[in-house]
Amino acid sequence: QQPVQSPQAVILREGEDAVINCSSSKALYSVHWYRQKHGEAPVFLMILLKGGEQKGHDKISASFNEKKQQSSLYLTASQLSYSGTYFCGTGFPNAGGTSYGKLTFGQGTILTVHP
Amino acid sequence: EAGVVQSPRYKIIEKKQPVAFWCNPISGHNTLYWYLQNLGQGPELLIRYENEEAVDDSQLPKDRFSAERLKGVDSTLKIQPAELGDSAVYLCASSRTNEQFFGPGTRLTVL
Repeated sequence: QQPVQSPQAVILREGEDAVINCSSSKALYSVHWYRQKHGEAPVFLMILLKGGEQKGHDKISASFNEKKQQSSLYLTASQLSYSGTYFCGTGFPNAGGTSYGKLTFGQGTILTVHP
Repeated sequence: EAGVVQSPRYKIIEKKQPVAFWCNPISGHNTLYWYLQNLGQGPELLIRYENEEAVDDSQLPKDRFSAERLKGVDSTLKIQPAELGDSAVYLCASSRTNEQFFGPGTRLTVL
């Protein structure tokens, strides 16, 4: 049930773009994206609920394709501060069609941005 | 608004010793989670509370792990006795709706 993230790692120069993917083998209710820097807590970026919506703030956005059971995180014009490990957490629907409230996290994608 | 508070931040113990971690969630957050994070891995849920009720503890190794949230606010996670394989970061998170906010974690080293 653990979602699969790809790529496992990506190296960028400042100003370049990146896409991180998160795929599930089960139907999803929600996808949560977090960034974690070494030795720190995961920081919430955004949540997408089923419905195929897209969200974003600043230069980070994400999409959720309910049919394909996957989400993608888009980082545009990357900055040094974007470096870290990105995790997707997937929430699955209960019998009532809402969320169990439990997240299952992927293995993470290590993003490194160089000057 | 204060974030999720955890203590201690670091703990080193010898195997077979007991250890306890404490978490104070964000004010007003009824749901509290304890996660375990191994190096290079994503967080794995141990237990989830709705107020004082443990609604999901299916992944908590109950032979040695226990948790409580007596008044529906702060929570304690205990390991007794600790094993070498318990070395990891123990994260606490809280939520009011769908968004979960994490504390800084406790890094446990079992020697």
